[in-house]
Amino acid sequence: EIVLTQSPATLSLSPGERATLSCRASQSVGSYLAWYQQKPGQAPRLLIYDASNRATGIPARFSGSGSGRDFTLMISSLEPEDFAVYYCQQRTNWPFTFGPGTKVDIK
Amino acid sequence: QVQLVQSGSELKKPGASVKISCKASGYTFTRCAMNWVRQAPGQGLEWMGWINTNAGNPTYAQGFTGRFVFSLDTSVSTAYLQISSLEAEDTAVYYCARDIAAADPGVFDIWGQGTMVTVAS
Repeated sequence: EIVLTQSPATLSLSPGERATLSCRASQSVGSYLAWYQQKPGQAPRLLIYDASNRATGIPARFSGSGSGRDFTLMISSLEPEDFAVYYCQQRTNWPFTFGPGTKVDIK
Repeated sequence: QVQLVQSGSELKKPGASVKISCKASGYTFTRCAMNWVRQAPGQGLEWMGWINTNAGNPTYAQGFTGRFVFSLDTSVSTAYLQISSLEAEDTAVYYCARDIAAADPGVFDIWGQGTMVTVAS
């Protein structure tokens, strides 16, 4: 099973600041990595798939990069609605696995 | 619009069974596989497996074999998750999530709103 590690666990930032979230895989996942956003009481929402492709309707301030084992999600300028938990997920091998999440909260 | 609507919250006693539904609309149900994801209270996301909505064959992740069953009723565009012999540890929110495309398994672009299952005596 591929294990995903996310850092930091919590990121405290102010609106307007840039957020940089990391995800590391225990083995190469190629480019088969996605990012999801989850707000309290809501289902996750797909943001980025295959490392760098924005999902339909996702604002351009969200961008993904990386390949192999190391990946980054960047939010260029945080909006109030961006404070949430972010999960990475790989689909290279079964079982598909998620990282433990990074919580982006308001400083 | 494309959406998945799940059945409501359930409160069950240990040893009972529960069946959760996930009704799809706005797209051709059999074109995209359906996945199930569990989220225990305050915890992260755990992929349980998926079901091929065209052929009907399920695949279960380790830890979700035996008591967990994925099924379909394509006539009403609905996927089901049944859990038998419920344990307290099954208390969680269960999500159905659609694959983005038949040729792209493992990218979950549409999610149901989640069904909370509480197991308590």
